[in-house]
Amino acid sequence: AQSVTQLGSHVSVSEGALVLLRCNYSSSVPPYLFWYVQYPNQGLQLLLKYTSAATLVKGINGFEAEFKKSETSFHLTKPSAHMSDAAEYFCAVSYTSGGSYIPTFGRGTSLIVHP
Amino acid sequence: DSGVTQTPKHLITATGQRVTLRCSPRSGDLSVYWYQQSLDQGLQFLIQYYNGEERAKGNILERFSAQQFPDLHSELNLSSLELGDSALYFCASSVGGLAPTGELFFGEGSRLTVL
Repeated sequence: AQSVTQLGSHVSVSEGALVLLRCNYSSSVPPYLFWYVQYPNQGLQLLLKYTSAATLVKGINGFEAEFKKSETSFHLTKPSAHMSDAAEYFCAVSYTSGGSYIPTFGRGTSLIVHP
Repeated sequence: DSGVTQTPKHLITATGQRVTLRCSPRSGDLSVYWYQQSLDQGLQFLIQYYNGEERAKGNILERFSAQQFPDLHSELNLSSLELGDSALYFCASSVGGLAPTGELFFGEGSRLTVL
């Protein structure tokens, strides 16, 4: 069964610093990978997704992620953190069940941005 | 605004009771997914419906049931409630149920507190 592991339940950075949120996946077939963001008191929204078209995927709000098959990783990065980036970030992989593709989510990483 | 509407936003009830959570998907979306988010378990997939039919089942307890109506709205019924059922319940929708790269659009969730 596919699964994702997010390393670090909390990541703390200073405003303007590099953001790196780690995600490793296990999948027996080519994966479909996603990053979602959850702001306080809101639902999740898609940041970006990997669909095998390109290994470096650009998303919204300046985030990007690189698919590395040899490392089974899909880490999320942003060159310069903003205060508004403080949120919970979820990595997800789709797996098949009954003809549907079901996203299964990691435990989440809370990004804290200090002024 | 994702276009997915969930009601109620907050619900407080007692053990042993039954509650119904309601979800209206985005206009045109045929698939509805239910997830449970708790501190213990993270974001857990419960069940998926596609155009009125159950398509996939996850870690859904027998005390829980769901359905999708002809107008595509969905309800999640939780019965014989226990303290451990306290969680944030999310509904998400997507255009179809078969695309592995399909994005989910999440509602803001229904926060259930069982006392």
